[in-house]
Amino acid sequence: AQTVTQSQPEMSVQEAETVTLSCTYDTSESDYYLFWYKQPPSRQMILVIRQEAYKQQNATENRFSVNFQKAAKSFSLKISDSQLGDAAMYFCAYRVYTGANSKLTFGKGITLSVRP
Amino acid sequence: NAGVMQNPRHLVRRRGQEARLRCSPMKGHSHVYWYRQLPEEGLKFMVYLQKENIIDESGMPKERFSAEFPKEGPSILRIQQVVRGDSAAYFCASSPQGALSTEAFFGQGTRLTVV
Repeated sequence: AQTVTQSQPEMSVQEAETVTLSCTYDTSESDYYLFWYKQPPSRQMILVIRQEAYKQQNATENRFSVNFQKAAKSFSLKISDSQLGDAAMYFCAYRVYTGANSKLTFGKGITLSVRP
Repeated sequence: NAGVMQNPRHLVRRRGQEARLRCSPMKGHSHVYWYRQLPEEGLKFMVYLQKENIIDESGMPKERFSAEFPKEGPSILRIQQVVRGDSAAYFCASSPQGALSTEAFFGQGTRLTVV
């Protein structure tokens, strides 16, 4: 069974600083996708960034980037130049690339607060 | 192109009543997933449906819960004889047919409160 672990329940960062959110996962699959979702107080799940396991290059989306270590099964999210609007819960998620098992498996999430 | 629409946003039911949660996927999407989020928890997979078919219901409780995605109309998650422990946020996500490389698009969820 696939599992996703986010061991840090909370983190705090000063506005304009950089913060890294950790995530590890366990799988026996070779083809899969990894995601980071943001959930603000509105509860809307917003995709932040996606990484295909077959790609060695780390994904980047503006201020958001990942450090994907496939051998270590690690997928951390780095937020640069943190903004007040980044405050939210962040969920790491995993998805296998097969039809019948294409569901997302989520970690428990981490609450990020941003200090002005 | 409207996003994934869930209704109602908030639903209050007394113990023993039935709860019906609706999800209209994005236009052109034929895959629907339901997730449940308990307080301070991540989203837990419940069921994966395509039009008129249940593909994976491994996350569904064995009793009182059912889901459908008819040929016409929204997907429905039905909870019979609700109990306090069913109180949670229920999220629906949809994705396009065959586009396994894309992310699933989420609705805003239905918060069910059982009193």
